[in-house]
Amino acid sequence: AQTVTQSQPEMSVQEAETVTLSCTYDTSESDYYLFWYKQPPSRQMILVIRQEAYKQQNATENRFSVNFQKAAKSFSLKISDSQLGDAAMYFCAYRMGNNNDMRFGAGTRLTVKP
Amino acid sequence: GAVVSQHPSRVICKSGTSVKIECRSLDFQATTMFWYRQFPKQSLMLMATSNEGSKATYEQGVEKDKFLINHASLTLSTLTVTSAHPEDSSFYICSAIGFIFGGQKSSYNEQFFGPGTRLTVL
Repeated sequence: AQTVTQSQPEMSVQEAETVTLSCTYDTSESDYYLFWYKQPPSRQMILVIRQEAYKQQNATENRFSVNFQKAAKSFSLKISDSQLGDAAMYFCAYRMGNNNDMRFGAGTRLTVKP
Repeated sequence: GAVVSQHPSRVICKSGTSVKIECRSLDFQATTMFWYRQFPKQSLMLMATSNEGSKATYEQGVEKDKFLINHASLTLSTLTVTSAHPEDSSFYICSAIGFIFGGQKSSYNEQFFGPGTRLTVL
């Protein structure tokens, strides 16, 4: 079974600083996708960034980037120039293949201090 | 981007009654939809996978007779919580798989999440 582990229940960062959220996963599959989702107080799940396992290059989306270490099964999220609006729950997720369900980590609550 | 709606957004019901939650893909056809449950301050837990025109596949530990799922069309899946009890109170989220045509970028299937439904059983 695939599992996703987020070892940081809570993190805080000063506005404009950089923070890294950790995620590890366990799988024996070769074709899979990894995601980071943001869940603000509204509870709407918002896709932050996605990574295809077959791609060696780390995904980036503006201030968000990942450090994908396939051999170590690690997928951390770096948020640069943190903004107050970045405060939310962040979930790391794994999906096997293209049409399957997602498995989520326990989440990390990020607080941004002004 | 693709939009998934859920109705109702909030529902309060008495113990023993049944509640239906709708999940709709508004601008795309979704052959597969998923239902998740999220308890306060916890993660999303998959309840079942809903495929259009066929029976839903339930995760281990999820009672299929209690959580009835119907996926009658390519844009609608419903979750009915039968004989609801206070322990069924939770946040229910659906998601649907839609195809993203990326043009020169890679095209891929993506999951789009609904805004969720908060169920409170008194």
